[in-house]
Amino acid sequence: DQQVKQNSPSLSVQEGRISILNCDYTNSMFDYFLWYKKYPAEGPTFLISISSIKDKNEDGRFTVFLNKSAKHLSLHIVPSQPGDSAVYFCAASAKNSGAGSYQLTFGKGTKLSVIP
Amino acid sequence: DAMVIQNPRYQVTQFGKPVTLSCSQTLNHNVMYWYQQKSSQAPKLLFHYYDKDFNNEADTPDNFQSRRPNTSFCFLDIRSPGLGDAAMYLCATSRDLSYSIHEQFFGPGTRLTVL
Repeated sequence: DQQVKQNSPSLSVQEGRISILNCDYTNSMFDYFLWYKKYPAEGPTFLISISSIKDKNEDGRFTVFLNKSAKHLSLHIVPSQPGDSAVYFCAASAKNSGAGSYQLTFGKGTKLSVIP
Repeated sequence: DAMVIQNPRYQVTQFGKPVTLSCSQTLNHNVMYWYQQKSSQAPKLLFHYYDKDFNNEADTPDNFQSRRPNTSFCFLDIRSPGLGDAAMYLCATSRDLSYSIHEQFFGPGTRLTVL
């Protein structure tokens, strides 16, 4: 059962426009959310995160929005650049009460292509 | 630069032949993780080490084992690889497991092919 869902496998956006990547989750225990970016032949790299006590976090061209009631978050990239072309993974964290630790649950990823 | 290194980047093994994947880190992080990622799927956590404490995910097959001889190194052993074990294996680290530390740092991965 997928607890973190990225329903769009791919997205194409024109350079300079806004890219919106979406993520839905089912586990109400998730309290921290992260976006990772992955280029081919490289490991995922951390991009931006948001705590469940916030509804927005902004870092330069990247903004993450969280709608807890809808169990939905989105990543906005404005303006999009060709170098943003990559696979974006949504991840969520909840305390593993048994182990006393926090684990990440990933979505399948969305491949973003920014067209020059 | 501090980083997470995985060797080899590509590994080919035969059905049933044991194989070991290697991960090392220069970040001096307490936690090391192993993920399995199959094509177009989400990375799936296999297990993690917090210092020397090993934590296995409930659904990780017994075929997968891990060793962490010191802070810097962690190994993934697949005792009898099957065709279904062909995947990208990602190693990651994090400074700690506390609430304030969520970010994980990933290596480039090892792509395993089973013939």
